[in-house]
Amino acid sequence: SQQGEEDPQALSIQEGENATMNCSYKTSINNLQWYRQNSGRGLVHLILIRSNEREKHSGRLRVTLDTSKKSSSLLITASRAADTASYFCATVRDDKIIFGKGTRLHILP
Amino acid sequence: EPEVTQTPSHQVTQMGQEVILRCVPISNHLYFYWYRQILGQKVEFLVSFYNNEISEKSEIFDDQFSVERPDGSNFTLKIRSTKLEDSAMYFCASRDDRGPHTEAFFGQGTRLTVV
Repeated sequence: SQQGEEDPQALSIQEGENATMNCSYKTSINNLQWYRQNSGRGLVHLILIRSNEREKHSGRLRVTLDTSKKSSSLLITASRAADTASYFCATVRDDKIIFGKGTRLHILP
Repeated sequence: EPEVTQTPSHQVTQMGQEVILRCVPISNHLYFYWYRQILGQKVEFLVSFYNNEISEKSEIFDDQFSVERPDGSNFTLKIRSTKLEDSAMYFCASRDDRGPHTEAFFGQGTRLTVV
C-alpha cells in the first residue's frame, strides 16, 4: 500500500511550543503533501514537497522529506490555539493522492 | 477565491436506496477525486477521474459505486443499494493538470447517514 502512516496518533502541547508530526510511506512518490482538517470539515492543503526536495518552509510550517527512509515530518513552530486540528500527510503518485491516518493535534491554552 | 462545492451537506437515506452526491469542482481543474471518511477515521481514496474517465480506483470502489461528469461542471458519485456501513463523510476534490505537483482542493463534504 502507498498509504502514509503518521505518528503520533494524538499530540497535546502547550500554546507556544513546537509540534512535530511524522509520516512514513511505502512506495515511490511524485510528492508528499500535508493537509489540515478541522473537526467535521474539509481538508485544507498546507504544503507540498517534491520527491527531489529535502526541506520546505511556509510561514510557521517546516516540512522535511527523506526519500531513502520514506519518511516526512511536519513541524509547526510557536503553536496557537487555532492550530488545533487533525493533520494528514498525503503521498502523490501519478493520479492518486493517498492519505495517512492523521495526527490529532490539541493545543492547550 | 475559487472553491469546490458539494451538495447536499447532509443526506439521510434508507438502507437499500440509491444516493447521488454532487460536486462542482473548480472550473479550470481537470482531475477529480472522491474520498470517504468514516467518523474520526482515515480519509480513504475511492476514485480519481481524468479526461472523462476513471483513472484510478480503490478496492472500496466496487460495482456499488459509479461516477459521472454529466454536464461539464458537475461531478457526481452514485451509491447504489446503500448499506449501513456506507455512512460516512464523502469528500470531493479537484486539481489542475499542471503535472503531479499541484495541490488538491477539497469541498466541505457530504455527510451520508444510512438508516
